[in-house]
Amino acid sequence: AQSVTQLDSQVPVFEEAPVELRCNYSSSVSVYLFWYVQYPNQGLQLLLKYLSGSTLVESINGFEAEFNKSQTSFHLRKPSVHISDTAEYFCAVSERAAGNKLTFGGGTRVLVKP
Amino acid sequence: DADVTQTPRNRITKTGKRIMLECSQTKGHDRMYWYRQDPGLGLRLIYYSFDVKDINKGEISDGYSVSRQAQAKFSLSLESAIPNQTALYFCATSVGYLNEQFFGPGTRLTVL
Repeated sequence: AQSVTQLDSQVPVFEEAPVELRCNYSSSVSVYLFWYVQYPNQGLQLLLKYLSGSTLVESINGFEAEFNKSQTSFHLRKPSVHISDTAEYFCAVSERAAGNKLTFGGGTRVLVKP
Repeated sequence: DADVTQTPRNRITKTGKRIMLECSQTKGHDRMYWYRQDPGLGLRLIYYSFDVKDINKGEISDGYSVSRQAQAKFSLSLESAIPNQTALYFCATSVGYLNEQFFGPGTRLTVL
């Protein structure tokens, strides 16, 4: 069965510092990859996704993630965080041949400090 | 107006009670999902439906049932609630093969 591992459950970071959230998945078949963000007391929102093509994908608010097939990873980065980036971030994987159900990682809680 | 709505937003109930959580969507999507979120475990799939006549069990369906009353409505029931079903429950929708999912605001359920 597919599994997704987010190696850090919590990441404290100072404002304007860089942050990297790690995500590894277990599938050996073709996958779609997603990062979702959950702000306090809200539902999940799609942050960015990799479907095919360029392995580096970007969001509109400065996040980027790189698909690495050989390492089965999809790490999320931002070069300079804001207080408003405080949220929980979920990596998710969908296997193209498995009905496209999403499997989520355990989440990484990012706390941006002033 | 929100595209995916869930009612109630918060519910406190007692062990053994029957509970129904409702989800409605105005996105016109054919696929709907129910997840539960627990700290450190991420979201786990309870049930999913690819159309009105298609209902499938997810990763953790025991103790839950669902009903797809219409394309826009997907309800989750706990027939006899127990304390370890205390969690945050999310409904989601999607369309097509790309499976980008759109989430409702969640229902916080507490079973005493």
